[in-house]
Amino acid sequence: DAGVIQSPRHEVTEMGQEVTLRCKPISGHNSLFWYRQTMMRGLELLIYFNNNVPIDDSGMPEDRFSAKMPNASFSTLKIQPSEPRDSAVYFCASRTGEGVAFFGQGTRLTVV
Amino acid sequence: SQQGEEDPQALSIQEGENATMNCSYKTSINNLQWYRQNSGRGLVHLILIRSNEREKHSGRLRVTLDTSKKSSSLLITASRAADTASYFCVHEGQTGANNLFFGTGTRLTVIP
Repeated sequence: DAGVIQSPRHEVTEMGQEVTLRCKPISGHNSLFWYRQTMMRGLELLIYFNNNVPIDDSGMPEDRFSAKMPNASFSTLKIQPSEPRDSAVYFCASRTGEGVAFFGQGTRLTVV
Repeated sequence: SQQGEEDPQALSIQEGENATMNCSYKTSINNLQWYRQNSGRGLVHLILIRSNEREKHSGRLRVTLDTSKKSSSLLITASRAADTASYFCVHEGQTGANNLFFGTGTRLTVIP
């Protein structure tokens, strides 16, 4: 397995544009997590899914953020409209049960 | 807060010395995990210790868990320059919520 795959690796966009981040979890994993990492706030849990169902989205900063998991092999995190303060590294992670979480390499988002 | 808290925030040591990082948490747990993050990369799992375990070893890593004090420590023996990274703890609660909240991490610098 190639591990958790995120795309794109880097994204630079203008304020107000829509941004879509993508994640392919490890096959067979039933939990998927989206995190945001900044110097100021550290690693924040935004939302996680169990068996494709969003369980806890209390970490989503505001309505501009939305996440979907249409099937077990794909998830998206969308920001619309994007703002400069959304600039961060976004990580996706997956795991099964209460085991080890495997992280993707992250998407570095810059909103100018 | 459901996050673990790592201490110290930053640690700088000479190669060959031991490095000790601590983690405290507030809730009852099923397990506690330690992860490592190299700059700009995703987190990588190091070790998992269950609530009924007090100590665990993996190579040069030694993890202890004191559930009465709600704390854990990660010891890296005979440190190497390649150990330079940020180290995070994350605890799994007993609520069954299955989410993973990370602390702010300890930034370890090993000087060659």
